[in-house]
Amino acid sequence: AQTVTQSQPEMSVQEAETVTLSCTYDTSESNYYLFWYKQPPSRQMILVIRQEAYKQQNATENRFSVNFQKAAKSFSLKISDSQLGDTAMYFCAFMKRNGGSQGNLIFGKGTKLSVKP
Amino acid sequence: EAQVTQNPRYLITVTGKKLTVTCSQNMNHEYMSWYRQDPGLGLRQIYYSMNVEVTDKGDVPEGYKVSRKEKRNFPLILESPSPNQTSLYFCASSSLYYRGAFFGQGTRLTVV
Repeated sequence: AQTVTQSQPEMSVQEAETVTLSCTYDTSESNYYLFWYKQPPSRQMILVIRQEAYKQQNATENRFSVNFQKAAKSFSLKISDSQLGDTAMYFCAFMKRNGGSQGNLIFGKGTKLSVKP
Repeated sequence: EAQVTQNPRYLITVTGKKLTVTCSQNMNHEYMSWYRQDPGLGLRQIYYSMNVEVTDKGDVPEGYKVSRKEKRNFPLILESPSPNQTSLYFCASSSLYYRGAFFGQGTRLTVV
């Protein structure tokens, strides 16, 4: 079975600074996706960034980038130039790429990020 | 607009009174899932469906039922709700070709 661990329940950062959220996972699968989802106070789940395990290059989306270390099973999210609107709960998630459970996400417990003015 | 629609958004009910939370997607996705979110526990999968008439249990299926009679709909049924089912519920859908999932707006359920 797959597990996802987020070891930082809460973090804070000053506006315009950079913050890194940690995520580790455990799996015996070789083919999978990793995601970061953002949940603002509106509680909507918003996909921030995704990484395909077979790609060595780290994914980036504007101010968001990941550090994907497959051998270490680590998948951290870096937010640059933090903005007040980045204040949210962030969830790391795992999805198998093939097989009967494709489409099913396994989530970590989340990191609550506060961006301070 | 591509979306997953859940109803209702908020629901307060009493123990033992059957209820259904509806979920509908307009993207022709094969996969649909239900999750519950509880503080400190993240999101946990209740049930999932890989296509019409194909469903399977997730991590926390006890006390819930689902059905998938049409591709677009995946209702969550609580036959006899109990207070420990008070939670925030999300429906999600994804396709073979989309590497992620679309989520509904969430349903805040309170069972008293």
